[in-house]
Amino acid sequence: EVQLVESGEGLVQPGGSLRLSCAASGFTFSSYAMHWVRQAPGKGLEYVSGISSDGSSTFYADSVKGRVTISRDNSKNTLYLQMGSLRTEDMAVYYCARGRRYFDLWGRGTLVTVSS
Amino acid sequence: DIQMTQSPSSLSASVGDRVTITCRASQSINSYLNWYQQIPGKAPKLLIYVASSLQSGVPTRFSGSGYATDFTLTISRLQPEDFATYYCQQTYSTPLTFGGGTKVEIK
Repeated sequence: EVQLVESGEGLVQPGGSLRLSCAASGFTFSSYAMHWVRQAPGKGLEYVSGISSDGSSTFYADSVKGRVTISRDNSKNTLYLQMGSLRTEDMAVYYCARGRRYFDLWGRGTLVTVSS
Repeated sequence: DIQMTQSPSSLSASVGDRVTITCRASQSINSYLNWYQQIPGKAPKLLIYVASSLQSGVPTRFSGSGYATDFTLTISRLQPEDFATYYCQQTYSTPLTFGGGTKVEIK
């Protein structure tokens, strides 16, 4: 089955760190650019970060630049998002998504809670 | 960054109505505009890509149009399962950005 499954959900204190993972299956992971998109409670979609198919290019929203790092392991069919210096405004459901010019496959999301 | 502005932010319509949602970009994005549907508690679903191409499996009552800065998503005959929030997204330049969303409520 073609799917993306996020993991890494957790409760973190402000200033803390967390790593999210997105496991891909059913398609050639190494052929696709991948992205993270988040959605704060009751809010809209916000683009977080993206990475090219070979990992050579990465992109970040200004709101997370310098605090998060996107990476991928094509041998493990897995996408990562390392998040640090977490703020309360980073609390959201984080989705991984596949695609370059459009996102045609999304995971179900994983919840990041930032609270003391 | 390219700003995406959707209107209206919400609407209420009856089953069978024709519904139109607009999305305006702060600068030209050619045809690099996508539309997504999100049902509460679910992940977004791609409906329309590069302005007017219908994603496989999406009902033909959904259509998209536009170019440069002004785009439209049309639902020709609203169905009960179309209760959702709709987002536009530009993929012309990074950072990729989404519109604020349009919530469609069924009367």
